Amino acid sequence: SQQGEEDPQALSIQEGENATMNCSYKTSINNLQWYRQNSGRGLVHLILIRSNEREKHSGRLRVTLDTSKKSSSLLITASRAADTASYFCATVAPYGGATNKLIFGTGTLLAVQP
Amino acid sequence: DGGITQSPKYLFRKEGQNVTLSCEQNLNHDAMYWYRQDPGQGLRLIYYSQIVNDFQKGDIAEGYSVSREKKESFPLTVTSAQKNPTAFYLCASSRVTGEKLFFGSGTQLSVL
Repeated sequence: SQQGEEDPQALSIQEGENATMNCSYKTSINNLQWYRQNSGRGLVHLILIRSNEREKHSGRLRVTLDTSKKSSSLLITASRAADTASYFCATVAPYGGATNKLIFGTGTLLAVQP
Repeated sequence: DGGITQSPKYLFRKEGQNVTLSCEQNLNHDAMYWYRQDPGQGLRLIYYSQIVNDFQKGDIAEGYSVSREKKESFPLTVTSAQKNPTAFYLCASSRVTGEKLFFGSGTQLSVL
C-alpha cells in the first residue's frame, strides 16, 4: 500500500527558480522523510521531519509538515541542473509491535533546465 | 567507506529459474530491507529484518525469500513463483526501523 502521494507528478523549471513538491498521506505518522533518486540509482536521504516539528531546513532545502492536513512540502531554492532527479516522500508509521514502517509515495520527477 | 553494496548491477533470469540478489552493509545497522521499484512507481516493501536471524514479510513477499544469517548480509532470492520479476530491486539499511534509510545502488532484474 502506498500512503504518500506526491504532487505534481512532474515539474520542469529553469535553473535558479524554486521548486516546490507536495506530499499528502492518510494515517497518523511518527515522522516523514524525503529522498532523492537519480535515474537508475539508489535513493539518497535528504531530510527527516518528526510529527511534532513544523518546519526544517537543510542547505537549500526547506520542509514543512502540517499534521492537521496530513501534508508536507519540500522546497528547493535556487535550483541547479544537478537537482534534476525524482523526489519521494516516505511516511513512517507503526507496523506491528515495535516496528516502524516506511511507506513511499510515487514520486515527483523534477527537471531543471540550464 | 561505509555503505551498502548490491550485486550484481544487472541480472537476467530464465523461465523457471531462481536467482539471488546480494546485499552487504558495513554500517553496523540492525535493520535491513528489500524494496521493488517498477518504472515510474514508488517503492514497495518485499521483506525486512530488524535483527539477525529474524525477518518479516512486507507488502509483496509472494515469490520472494530472504535470509539474515549475518548482520552484514541480507540476500534476496527471486523464485520461479514470482511471475513478473522484471523490476529494479533496492536494498536498504537503517540503525533501527523508522529512521533514515541508506540505500544500495540497485539491481535491475530482467527476464530472458
